[in-house]
Amino acid sequence: DVVMTQSPLSLPVTLGQPASISCRSSQSLVYSDGNTYLNWFQQRPGQSPRRLIYKISNRDSGVPDRFSGSGSGTDFTLKISRVEAEDVGVYYCMQGTHWPWTFGQGTKVEIK
Amino acid sequence: QVQLQESGPGLVKPSETLSLTCTISGGSISTYYWSWIRQSPGKGLEWIGYIYYSGSINYNPSLKSRVTISVDTSKNQFSLKLTSVTAADTAVYYCARRKDVWGQGTTVTVSS
Repeated sequence: DVVMTQSPLSLPVTLGQPASISCRSSQSLVYSDGNTYLNWFQQRPGQSPRRLIYKISNRDSGVPDRFSGSGSGTDFTLKISRVEAEDVGVYYCMQGTHWPWTFGQGTKVEIK
Repeated sequence: QVQLQESGPGLVKPSETLSLTCTISGGSISTYYWSWIRQSPGKGLEWIGYIYYSGSINYNPSLKSRVTISVDTSKNQFSLKLTSVTAADTAVYYCARRKDVWGQGTTVTVSS
């Protein structure tokens, strides 16, 4: 299985400041169709995961533009330009290129 | 907008079969693919498998010998069966449409 490794695992952030989460895969996530199926999910406390980003950098409907994704191949990043209180939760990267699809271990974002 | 709701027993005895149903509202099962995912403290998020409405299925190899996913188009539902459960199968089970719409999840505990 493809191993997804996130860092850091815990990220204390000051409100209004930027945050960045790294995700690395154990093999390239470029699919045979040329797309890279790298997703980012947010899981707020007590809620189910919600997808924020698909195919590296595309925001899902309703996702604020302070969230952005970047990267290629095996290295990916989720950035929050200015953290708001509602952004508290655990963030997961997830690859949908190689079956079985796999998640990172999660990064807990909290307010300082 | 489409909503998903998981249902089924919250407690299952070891060696028995876990059975869950996902009911779809606000949309038809006859498009896209439909998944089961679980989340446990020990293993994190794990994609169990997915099924197209046409019946094409993919199971996680780690569970393939014990899992069955099926679709009931007449009821706009799909289901999960996991046989010979152990404590390691204790988790929150989610159903999802593709990767972008998830149910609220249901907690299943395996215990005698």
